[in-house]
Amino acid sequence: DAGVIQSPRHEVTEMGQEVTLRCKPISGHDYLFWYRQTMMRGLELLIYFNNNVPIDDSGMPEDRFSAKMPNASFSTLKIQPSEPRDSAVYFCASSFKGNTIYFGEGSWLTVV
Amino acid sequence: GEDVEQSLFLSVREGDSSVINCTYTDSSSTYLYWYKQEPGAGLQLLTYIFSNMDMKQDQRLTVLLNKKDKHLSLRIADTQTGDSAIYFCAELLRNYGGSQGNLIFGKGTKLSVKP
Repeated sequence: DAGVIQSPRHEVTEMGQEVTLRCKPISGHDYLFWYRQTMMRGLELLIYFNNNVPIDDSGMPEDRFSAKMPNASFSTLKIQPSEPRDSAVYFCASSFKGNTIYFGEGSWLTVV
Repeated sequence: GEDVEQSLFLSVREGDSSVINCTYTDSSSTYLYWYKQEPGAGLQLLTYIFSNMDMKQDQRLTVLLNKKDKHLSLRIADTQTGDSAIYFCAELLRNYGGSQGNLIFGKGTKLSVKP
């Protein structure tokens, strides 16, 4: 079975540019999560969706961050404009009925 | 507040058992998880335990849960060099009404296995 698929795996961008991270959850899963991992703060939940509807976005750092899930098989996390402090690994994860949560390989973002 | 605590480092010799400990805070957590992260990779779900269980065994992995003390441990038998990684403990918090909530992660324990 294909797991959670994220793209790009690595991105280096200049400050001020727009960054779009993409995620395809495991087929049939009804929950999708976006996490961010940094050395300082560890793993933090940014937002999660249930049946394509955002349920909790309290972890989204600020208005520069936005996430969408237009259908059950695709989600995006957008940062506009990007800043150096946004450099982190961004993980997408999905689950069925919310219990066993599977992570993608992550998108490693560097903003210079 | 919600917090999951783990020791940051553990070093063992190949062939020995490793025990990684974790304490969590929310007594209403229904599921507790162990994830493994190798360098440059994502989080791999290793195992999980439901809160009404005391122990779960899966090949070389044994999870012990002490609900009274809110203590979770992961034992890896016959530790191999390939087990070197960061191991994260996580608890699943439920929103009001029991719907899906948030996974709260510990900072991770870096396991080093010496040959």
